[in-house]
Amino acid sequence: GENVEQHPSTLSVQEGDSAVIKCTYSDSASNYFPWYKQELGKGPQLIIDIRSNVGEKKDQRIAVTLNKTAKHFSLHITETQPEDSAVYFCAASSYGNNRLAFGKGNQVVVIP
Amino acid sequence: SAVISQKPSRDICQRGTSLTIQCQVDSQVTMMFWYRQQPGQSLTLIATANQGSEATYESGFVIDKFPISRPNLTFSTLTVSNMSPEDSSIYLCSVSGTGVRVDEQFFGPGTRLTVL
Repeated sequence: GENVEQHPSTLSVQEGDSAVIKCTYSDSASNYFPWYKQELGKGPQLIIDIRSNVGEKKDQRIAVTLNKTAKHFSLHITETQPEDSAVYFCAASSYGNNRLAFGKGNQVVVIP
Repeated sequence: SAVISQKPSRDICQRGTSLTIQCQVDSQVTMMFWYRQQPGQSLTLIATANQGSEATYESGFVIDKFPISRPNLTFSTLTVSNMSPEDSSIYLCSVSGTGVRVDEQFFGPGTRLTVL
């Protein structure tokens, strides 16, 4: 089955700086890559996703890039704010499957 | 996106007992899933809840321990049976197929279970 690895496990950034989280996947059949943000005591929230037919997608301060050849994808958060502090999970699945394989998560701490 | 609610939001249970968790969606969805998230860990898929038929379980999870029902397109239950402290986790319901982008998956708030 799919194996998703996520690095680094913890990331601290100064407010206003950028944060980048990287994930790798193993199954070349995977073609859907969502990112989730989980705040303490809450369920994961879908913040952005990318499909294998594009290389980059942006939504305001967040962006995701995908390198299908290298089988990795990254989440970029620019102009970080304290409310960006959370655990971020990457995941992967293949179209029509909908069974998500998650990375281990990344704790992002934005220092005011 | 769909609005998903779970009941109970948290519970403390004695070992050997069972707990049934409910997941309710405010609109019809194609697929419903149940995940487990152990403290400080990632999410692990338990099973896909199939409407009108038996759930599809992932490796390591069995129906006797985690019976699942899905009587219609907006509701599902997960039962954690014969609980032990190792079952202490957050149990999350998720749904997909709520709109045009059928692979987007949305999560409920979770049920925080502590087994003593």
